[in-house]
Amino acid sequence: AQSVTQLGSHVSVSEGALVLLRCNYSSSVPPYLFWYVQYPNQGLQLLLKYTTGATLVKGINGFEAEFKKSETSFHLTKPSAHMSDAAEYFCAVSHTGTASKLTFGTGTRLQVTL
Amino acid sequence: DGGITQSPKYLFRKEGQNVTLSCEQNLNHDAMYWYRQDPGQGLRLIYYSQIVNDFQKGDIAEGYSVSREKKESFPLTVTSAQKNPTAFYLCASSIELNTKQFFGPGTRLTVL
Repeated sequence: AQSVTQLGSHVSVSEGALVLLRCNYSSSVPPYLFWYVQYPNQGLQLLLKYTTGATLVKGINGFEAEFKKSETSFHLTKPSAHMSDAAEYFCAVSHTGTASKLTFGTGTRLQVTL
Repeated sequence: DGGITQSPKYLFRKEGQNVTLSCEQNLNHDAMYWYRQDPGQGLRLIYYSQIVNDFQKGDIAEGYSVSREKKESFPLTVTSAQKNPTAFYLCASSIELNTKQFFGPGTRLTVL
């Protein structure tokens, strides 16, 4: 069984400030981890993913995430927030083996203020 | 342009009516998926299909049905048995199971 917990359903940062969106997972086997972004009334876009290899993963739009096995975490960060980053962000986990079922977190809405 | 299309973007139906949501992809992907999104609940898997003429129930399949007669198409029917059908529905596809999923723009279904 696998699950994802995103701490904080709403996060507000000032433009130019650090963005930190938290994600913790549980999985009985080595996980694949994903971050998706969703803009209002649109589908999801993949920001970045971790499968194997380097634990610091860089994605689009200046985002990155670090897989920390000891902490079962995959937090999403961006050094400097931009107004266009305002959206909903979803962390997701899957694993090898059986069906490719992504398990999503409940999402974190990021608000960027002037 | 390659991608996934879902139509319509907004759909309104009366209670008790069946409604079919369209999902088409021209990415030549074998696997396709349907998710439902409700506020505060993230995405939940309704059905998925690994290959043509095959599909499996996800976590919340009750009140829904699908077909996969063509590789590029995976329509979802929301039946009158679905007790709370108003939601945002997302279709996705991937080359095969366990690979990156690509999402369509979604359909917002409102049952009046």
